[in-house]
Amino acid sequence: DVKVTQSSRYLVKRTGEKVFLECVQDMDHENMFWYRQDPGLGLRLIYFSYDVKMKEKGDIPEGYSVSREKKERFSLILESASTNQTSMYLCASSTDSGGYTFGSGTRLTVV
Amino acid sequence: GENVEQHPSTLSVQEGDSAVIKCTYSDSASNYFPWYKQELGKRPQLIIDIRSNVGEKKDQRIAVTLNKTAKHFSLHITETQPEDSAVYFCAASIKHDMRFGAGTRLTVKP
Repeated sequence: DVKVTQSSRYLVKRTGEKVFLECVQDMDHENMFWYRQDPGLGLRLIYFSYDVKMKEKGDIPEGYSVSREKKERFSLILESASTNQTSMYLCASSTDSGGYTFGSGTRLTVV
Repeated sequence: GENVEQHPSTLSVQEGDSAVIKCTYSDSASNYFPWYKQELGKRPQLIIDIRSNVGEKKDQRIAVTLNKTAKHFSLHITETQPEDSAVYFCAASIKHDMRFGAGTRLTVKP
C-alpha cells in the first residue's frame, strides 16, 4: 500500500509564526498535492507539484508556499500564520494514471 | 480551472434503500472522475472511479455513471448499510490536478 505520511496530526501555532507542514510518500509517485478541508467547502487545492522542484498554484495559494526538493517530500509553508488558516490540511500523492492516496491530515489551529 | 458541484450536501436514507449523489463539472477536458469516502476522523479513501471513455462502472453495491455531454456523473449505492454512513466526495481531474465537490454527508439509519 502507498503510504502518505504527514508529520503532525495536530498543531497549534500563534498568529504571525512561520509554519511548516511536512508530507512524505513512499511509492515514488510523481505528483503531490496540498489541500485544505473546511466544512461545507470540501477539499480545496492549495498547491501541487508534478516533479521535483516544480510547483503549480491551485485555487487558494495566497498565504502559502511549497517546497519539493526531493521526490518523496512535499512541504507546505505558511509564511505568517493567520487565524483564517485554521483548518485541516491534507496531503496526497498520485501517479499520472491513478487516483490519489491521502495522508491522515494535520489539524492546524492558529491562535 | 475546473469547478465541481455536488448535491445534495446531506442525505439520509433507511437501511436497505438506495442512495444517489450527483456531481457536475465545468471543464469538458476532464477525463478522470473518482469518488472518495471519508469516515469521521479518517483520510478520504478511493471507493470507485471512472474514466471518460466509459459510461458506467459497477463494483458490488456501488456504481458510477458518467454523462460527458451533460458533464455530470453520479454515485449510486444500493442496499445501503449503516457502515456506508460517511462523507462522500466526487472529483474531476485533467492529468495532474483534481478538483473536489463540497461533499455529501450520507447517514444510513438502521
